[in-house]
Amino acid sequence: AQSVTQLDSHVSVSEGTPVLLRCNYSSSYSPSLFWYVQHPNKGLQLLLKYTSAATLVKGINGFEAEFKKSETSFHLTKPSAHMSDAAEYFCVVSLHSGTYKYIFGTGTRLKVLA
Amino acid sequence: DTAVSQTPKYLVTQMGNDKSIKCEQNLGHDTMYWYKQDSKKFLKIMFSYNNKELIINETVPNRFSPKSPDKAHLNLHINSLELGDSAVYFCASSPRQGENYEQYFGPGTRLTVT
Repeated sequence: AQSVTQLDSHVSVSEGTPVLLRCNYSSSYSPSLFWYVQHPNKGLQLLLKYTSAATLVKGINGFEAEFKKSETSFHLTKPSAHMSDAAEYFCVVSLHSGTYKYIFGTGTRLKVLA
Repeated sequence: DTAVSQTPKYLVTQMGNDKSIKCEQNLGHDTMYWYKQDSKKFLKIMFSYNNKELIINETVPNRFSPKSPDKAHLNLHINSLELGDSAVYFCASSPRQGENYEQYFGPGTRLTVT
């Protein structure tokens, strides 16, 4: 069965410092993986996706993620946090079981300190 | 210009009432979804339609009935509302079925049952 685990429910960083949001997945085959961001009282916006092409994926707003099969990880990083990055971040695996559907991680709330 | 829109944005109602939430996408996508986000921000798929055909029904109580009059619309009707139905409901769409396709989310409808 496929699943996704976000290791931290809350992460706090200072503005201008690096961001690391961790995600591990389990899958019986090479999965498609996504990171979405949800700002307060808003819908979800795609940051980036991995679909078995390049293992280092660049997304919007300076975010990137690296697919590491050996570690079953897909961690999200950004070199320098901005106040506007404060939001909830979701790691998602796309599951194929007859039909295709998203399995969401439990989310990581990122707080950016001035 | 909104890609995926939902109405209403907020819905406050009493237990036992029946209510509907409407969703429209102007992206020309084939596949649409309903998700429920609980108070802990956990997101879970409820239903998915592909070209007006129901393809995912995730053990949701039969008080919930989706309807897709055409490819661009997916509505959610809820009968006999219960306190536990209080949540944020998100509509989403994707170009078609497939694990590589990202989903585009609406702004959400916050349902409060009193």
